[in-house]
Amino acid sequence: SQQGEEDPQALSIQEGENATMNCSYKTSINNLQWYRQNSGRGLVHLILIRSNEREKHSGRLRVTLDTSKKSSSLLITASRAADTASYFCATDGGNAGKSTFGDGTTLTVKP
Amino acid sequence: DAGVIQSPRHEVTEMGQEVTLRCKPISGHNSLFWYRQTMMRGLELLIYFNNNVPIDDSGMPEDRFSAKMPNASFSTLKIQPSEPRDSAVYFCASSQGYQPQHFGDGTRLSIL
Repeated sequence: SQQGEEDPQALSIQEGENATMNCSYKTSINNLQWYRQNSGRGLVHLILIRSNEREKHSGRLRVTLDTSKKSSSLLITASRAADTASYFCATDGGNAGKSTFGDGTTLTVKP
Repeated sequence: DAGVIQSPRHEVTEMGQEVTLRCKPISGHNSLFWYRQTMMRGLELLIYFNNNVPIDDSGMPEDRFSAKMPNASFSTLKIQPSEPRDSAVYFCASSQGYQPQHFGDGTRLSIL
């Protein structure tokens, strides 16, 4: 099974609301990354958080990491219709850059 | 930079035919990954190369699948013979060391 598991599988919100997605993983990691995938496109890297970091911000994105619980969350504040996409977490155990991806959360932001 | 370039973007072929997917990684990246994405199985890592050498091909589903990286700027994923269950979107990604991966826009493969 995949290393990372996102929760929820699908999320639908109104524009302006915040969206929170969670990721759980099973083994020790060096870092955890979040990617976004628009329909019909490849994944795009959003943010990377290292195992010794607890929180990281990038624009409207906030990522937290709890290594004791082997979990991470991605918060998108003040969501926009353009944020509609699938979001994946990926864990990197340090094996030559190989990352293991979860099944993703599909976010729909209604205008 | 042009990003990771995959070709073709779409491929429709009949069962039993040979399929070749192509990937040009970002210049300077030393790792290359091939993934398959389906609704049922999500995103699966098929194989990855480091400095043109296959490091882990444990995700390659069967002997019908093969991948090569003859040089740092080109890789192919070949399926021979193809089967309907191979229908999926195939992604190529590249990275430099432990930096995040850059994905191409994928090849949507349909085997009839």
